Amino acid sequence: DVVLTQTPPTLSATIGQSVSISCRSSQSLLHSNGNTYLHWLLQRPGQSPQLLIYLVSRLESGVPNRFSGSGSGTDFTLKISGVEAEDLGVYYCVQGTHAPYTFGAGTKLELK
Amino acid sequence: EVQLVESGGGLVQPGRSMKLSCAASGFTFSNYGMAWVRQAPTKGLEWVATISYDGSSTYYRDSVKGRFTISRDNAKSTLYLQMNSLRSEDTATYYCTRNTITVRGFDYWGQGVMVTVSS
Repeated sequence: DVVLTQTPPTLSATIGQSVSISCRSSQSLLHSNGNTYLHWLLQRPGQSPQLLIYLVSRLESGVPNRFSGSGSGTDFTLKISGVEAEDLGVYYCVQGTHAPYTFGAGTKLELK
Repeated sequence: EVQLVESGGGLVQPGRSMKLSCAASGFTFSNYGMAWVRQAPTKGLEWVATISYDGSSTYYRDSVKGRFTISRDNAKSTLYLQMNSLRSEDTATYYCTRNTITVRGFDYWGQGVMVTVSS
């Protein structure tokens, strides 16, 4: 199975600070059809996960544009440009290029 | 508004069975693949099973193959997960998700239902 390694495991930030989360894959996530099926989720405390970014860099409807995704192959990054209080929680990357679907272990974003 | 509402969880003894349901609304259920994703207490997310939009294709993680069955009733807009021969390691919150095949991702999630396997 594809292993997704997220760093850092925990991230402390102040409101307004910009932060980045890395997701590295054990295999290239570029599919033979040209798509890269790498997505980002946020799970707020006590809530179910929600989709933030899909296909590496596409912003899900309703998600603030302070969130952005980038990367290719095996290295991917989620950036939050100006953390707000509602952004606290655990961020997960997930891949769908290779069966089975696999998730990163998560990065917990907390207030400093 | 898309809504996914799970039901059927609870406490069950090892080796016994349990069936989860997920009632979907706010979208054309029969047009979408669906999936179950679980999360053990204080742990990360783990894909369990996927079913195609028409139910003709199903996929499972190795650890549940032969024990779990995913199914759907498009007339009722309902997704199911039949879990047999339950083990302690199946203890988790089970989320019903819309599994959008074109992007191979999970774009909507239910609130989750807890399954505890213990004697």
